[in-house]
Amino acid sequence: DVKVTQSSRYLVKRTGEKVFLECVQDMDHENMFWYRQDPGLGLRLIYFSYDVKMKEKGDIPEGYSVSREKKERFSLILESASTNQTSMYLCASTGTSLSEQFFGPGTRLTVL
Amino acid sequence: DQQVKQNSPSLSVQEGRISILNCDYTNSMFDYFLWYKKYPAEGPTFLISISSIKDKNEDGRFTVFLNKSAKHLSLHIVPSQPGDSAVYFCAATRYNFNKFYFGSGTKLNVKP
Repeated sequence: DVKVTQSSRYLVKRTGEKVFLECVQDMDHENMFWYRQDPGLGLRLIYFSYDVKMKEKGDIPEGYSVSREKKERFSLILESASTNQTSMYLCASTGTSLSEQFFGPGTRLTVL
Repeated sequence: DQQVKQNSPSLSVQEGRISILNCDYTNSMFDYFLWYKKYPAEGPTFLISISSIKDKNEDGRFTVFLNKSAKHLSLHIVPSQPGDSAVYFCAATRYNFNKFYFGSGTKLNVKP
């Protein structure tokens, strides 16, 4: 079974803090993704990576950066957290373009 | 601009009856479509998919129909069960393209 794990289920941070969200997958998948889920807006793609050290912006990359130093790990970084970044963050991975994405359990981030 | 739309934010159905969830897309280049189910505080899990070369795909109680000319797909759940109560997302992608586009979700409530 594919497993995608995220470092925290719940996080509370203060405005201006630097926040790291970690994601690890154990199926040797090439592609990894970060989404945020907000009510009424569905899943919006922040960044994705199709290989180590490769990254591409998604639909809403502003205020975020990513790092992929190892194939199994994809990190999302909020350089200076703001209240409008309060959301559910979901990591996903997939081996090929025409297969389903496997999602982690999500991190509920609250920025005060 | 959302390329995948789910226009019904919620749906309520009696146990044992059919649930029909709808999804529309705008990009005729999409050739692979997926449905995911999401429970609160969990990541989405893959449910069923369909390639654009087909117009129907069935898996147990779940059937997905694709109408390419209308750029419309639907998920039928028969019979509906209380455990099916969740948020359902449709998603679309195209061959050799790593990005997935998600709808905003439909919250299904199956009443006992």
